[in-house]
Amino acid sequence: SQTIHQWPATLVQPVGSPLSLECTVEGTSNPNLYWYRQAAGRGLQLLFYSVGIGQISSEVPQNLSASRPQDRQFILSSKKLLLSDSGFYLCAWSVLGTLNTIYFGEGSWLTVV
Amino acid sequence: RKEVEQDPGPFNVPEGATVAFNCTYSNSASQSFFWYRQDCRKEPKLLMSVYSSGNEDGRFTAQLNRASQYISLLIRDSKLSDSATYLCVVNQATGGFKTIFGAGTRLFVKA
Repeated sequence: SQTIHQWPATLVQPVGSPLSLECTVEGTSNPNLYWYRQAAGRGLQLLFYSVGIGQISSEVPQNLSASRPQDRQFILSSKKLLLSDSGFYLCAWSVLGTLNTIYFGEGSWLTVV
Repeated sequence: RKEVEQDPGPFNVPEGATVAFNCTYSNSASQSFFWYRQDCRKEPKLLMSVYSSGNEDGRFTAQLNRASQYISLLIRDSKLSDSATYLCVVNQATGGFKTIFGAGTRLFVKA
């Protein structure tokens, strides 16, 4: 069966510090991969998606970047965090052909102080 | 107009009640539909897909009306454990798939 792992689960970072969140998927090949952010009490905002290694599409201009160095690995990064980057970050995967059902990792809570 | 709209609630219902959530979507070319459940401070989890003919999973019934661009979720015999936020999700086939999440409807079930 497919599983998705995301880490770290929680982090508190000072303004201006770098960020790296990592996500891996097991049990499937060539998944679509996503990074979402959910601000407190708000809906899900798609940040990035990837249909293959090295292929990244950005949905909104921001202080963040994403990379996909391997088929089942997706990384979210920032060189300098802003207070507004605080939120709940969710990695997710899907496979086209299965109605593109999206499955989420457990999420990472980021607080920028 | 938002691509997917839901009543944010909250819905406050007693245990055993029947509660219905509605969702509308704007793109008539949307192809697949889902309901997700999100508990407080947790990730969204797939509750059920929504099929054109309507489908049922235990106490949960989902229905789709393509003509009205409307999706519903009915929960019968509500349990305390049903308290959560319910997200309406729509996939649009636009070269690949574009997945749109509603902002969610909050449900509180009380004893």
